[in-house]
Amino acid sequence: KQEVTQIPAALSVPEGENLVLNCSFTDSAIYNLQWFRQDPGKGLTSLLLIQSSQREQTSGRLNASLDKSSGRSTLYIAASQPGDSATYLCAVLNTGFQKLVFGTGTRLLVSP
Amino acid sequence: ETGVTQTPRHLVMGMTNKKSLKCEQHLGHNAMYWYKQSAKKPLELMFVYSLEERVENNSVPSRFSPECPNSSHLFLHLHTLQPEDSALYLCASSQAAVSGNTIYFGEGSWLTVV
Repeated sequence: KQEVTQIPAALSVPEGENLVLNCSFTDSAIYNLQWFRQDPGKGLTSLLLIQSSQREQTSGRLNASLDKSSGRSTLYIAASQPGDSATYLCAVLNTGFQKLVFGTGTRLLVSP
Repeated sequence: ETGVTQTPRHLVMGMTNKKSLKCEQHLGHNAMYWYKQSAKKPLELMFVYSLEERVENNSVPSRFSPECPNSSHLFLHLHTLQPEDSALYLCASSQAAVSGNTIYFGEGSWLTVV
């Protein structure tokens, strides 16, 4: 059974810092991995999707990497801003139907 | 306007009530999903519909009853719920249920069972 773990559970940094969020998964036979952002009381917004054949994806200040063999992904946020404060969720898609398995998230607070 | 719209945003119901959550997607997708998000637990997939057919039922109690009348609408009918069913219920859609397309979420319906 696929399990997804995110470390740390919470992170507080001053504005401008570069930071890394970690995600690990137990079954490396994944189709893809996605990073989502969730603001308090809101739904999820997809940030980056990495196919299993890819090593990384970039969007603006965000860079996500994938090491399928070791079951790990990282989300790198450059020059963090207060607007980046949210919960970041990692989810993996196993083969077959689109059954995403989510981690419990990292709650990020960027202070001005 | 978001691509996936959920109503109501907040619902308080008693354990003997019957209510429904509604989801509508404006993205032309053909797969829709219900997820449950409880405090301090990962999101849990409840149901998947592909081309209006239920293709996944993740061991969800029968007090939750989904309905997908067409590819744009998805309902979650609720009856005789328990307090532990209080959670954020998220609807999502994607282009297909069998490929790795990006999945789009609604803003969720906060459910409180009293």
